[in-house]
Amino acid sequence: TQLLEQSPQFLSIQEGENLTVYCNSSSVFSSLQWYRQEPGEGPVLLVTVVTGGEVKKLKRLTFQFGDARKDSSLHITAAQPGDTGLYLCAGGEGSGGYQKVTFGTGTKLQVIP
Amino acid sequence: EAGVTQFPSHSVIEKGQTVTLRCDPISGHDNLYWYRRVMGKEIKFLLHFVKESKQDESGMPNNRFLAERTGGTYSTLKVQPAELEDSGVYFCASSPTWKDGYTFGSGTRLTVV
Repeated sequence: TQLLEQSPQFLSIQEGENLTVYCNSSSVFSSLQWYRQEPGEGPVLLVTVVTGGEVKKLKRLTFQFGDARKDSSLHITAAQPGDTGLYLCAGGEGSGGYQKVTFGTGTKLQVIP
Repeated sequence: EAGVTQFPSHSVIEKGQTVTLRCDPISGHDNLYWYRRVMGKEIKFLLHFVKESKQDESGMPNNRFLAERTGGTYSTLKVQPAELEDSGVYFCASSPTWKDGYTFGSGTRLTVV
C-alpha cells in the first residue's frame, strides 16, 4: 500500500490569498482524486485526474496531476471562508476492472474572513 | 438522488460488546466501500464489495470484523467483540463503477469505552 504525504498539514490564511496543497508518493497512481471534508460529514469528491500532466479547473480550484503520476497539487485562487475544510488526496492503484484507493494524510485549511 | 446513508451516526459501547453499523449506498451503485479513520490518522481502507461479493477485504484489521452486503444492496459491518482500539469514524462510500469517484456517507463515530 502506497503512502500519500500531503503538505502542508495545516494552513491558515486570510481571505483573498492564494494557496497550494501538495500530495506526494513514491509510487505511481492509476488515478488521483481530491476530496474536501467538513466536520461531521464524509469526504466530498472534487475531481478525478487520470492522465499524467492533466490539469483540471473547478472555478477557483486548479488540480494538476504530475507527469509521472506520482504527485498532484491543488491550487486555490483568492481563497474564501467557504473553502475552509480538510482537503484529502486519494490515489488509485490497480487496473483491469479493480482499483484500490488510498487516502493521503490530509491538509486542514482555515480561511479567515 | 438520495446519498449514502449510514446508521447510527454515533455509537458508544463498552469493550467486549457487539456493534453493527449499517450503510445504504446510492441505489444502483454496485461498488460499496468501508473505510475507517482512527484518531489522528488518515482514512484507511477496510473492504470493497462489488454487488454482494467481497472484491477486496485486505484492510480488515482482524476476524472481529465481519462485513456483509445482503443482495447487493445495503451493507453491515459488525464488530464483535469490540476493543478500545476500534474507536474511530467508520465511513461507507459507493460508486457506480470502479473507475468513478466515491460518494461518502457522513460516517458512524464509534467510541469503545
